[in-house]
Amino acid sequence: AQSVTQPDIHITVSEGASLELRCNYSYGATPYLFWYVQSPGQGLQLLLKYFSGDTLVQGIKGFEAEFKRSQSSFNLRKPSVHWSDAAEYFCAVGATGGGNKLTFGTGTQLKVEL
Amino acid sequence: GAGVSQSPSNKVTEKGKDVELRCDPISGHTALYWYRQSLGQGLEFLIYFQGNSAPDKSGLPSDRFSAERTGGSVSTLTIQRTQQEDSAVYLCASSLGGESYEQYFGPGTRLTVT
Repeated sequence: AQSVTQPDIHITVSEGASLELRCNYSYGATPYLFWYVQSPGQGLQLLLKYFSGDTLVQGIKGFEAEFKRSQSSFNLRKPSVHWSDAAEYFCAVGATGGGNKLTFGTGTQLKVEL
Repeated sequence: GAGVSQSPSNKVTEKGKDVELRCDPISGHTALYWYRQSLGQGLEFLIYFQGNSAPDKSGLPSDRFSAERTGGSVSTLTIQRTQQEDSAVYLCASSLGGESYEQYFGPGTRLTVT
């Protein structure tokens, strides 16, 4: 069965600093990988996705993520964090061929200090 | 265009009562998913509809949970004889299905069972 690990429950960064959120997955084949963001009281918004091809993917709001098969990782990065980036971030893996049911990590809560 | 909508946004019910949660997917999306987000379990898959195929019910936690999708569009998630552990945010998502695996989420319905 597929699984996703987000080892950092909470992360605090200063505005303008760089950010990296970690995500490790377990899946038997090439996975479909996603990062979603959830602001308080809001639904999930897709930041970026990896299906195949270039392992460095660009997303919205200046985020990017890199798929590293050898490390089973899909870490999310942003070079300069804005106060509005404070939210909860979820990494997810999709079951290819099975309707892409998503398995989510437990999330990382990002706090941005001004 | 319009995104995924869910109603009600909040629902408080007494233990033992039945509840119905509604999801209106994005027009033209053939795939529809229900997920549950709770403090104890995180984000978990419940059920998946794709076109006219039989739904994948593999994530439903008990036989008190059921869902239907009428006319390939609107879906209703029904929870019978609600229990306190059913308290959670129920999220609906839709996608184009087929080779397109991006899921777009609604704002969710917060269910509180007292």
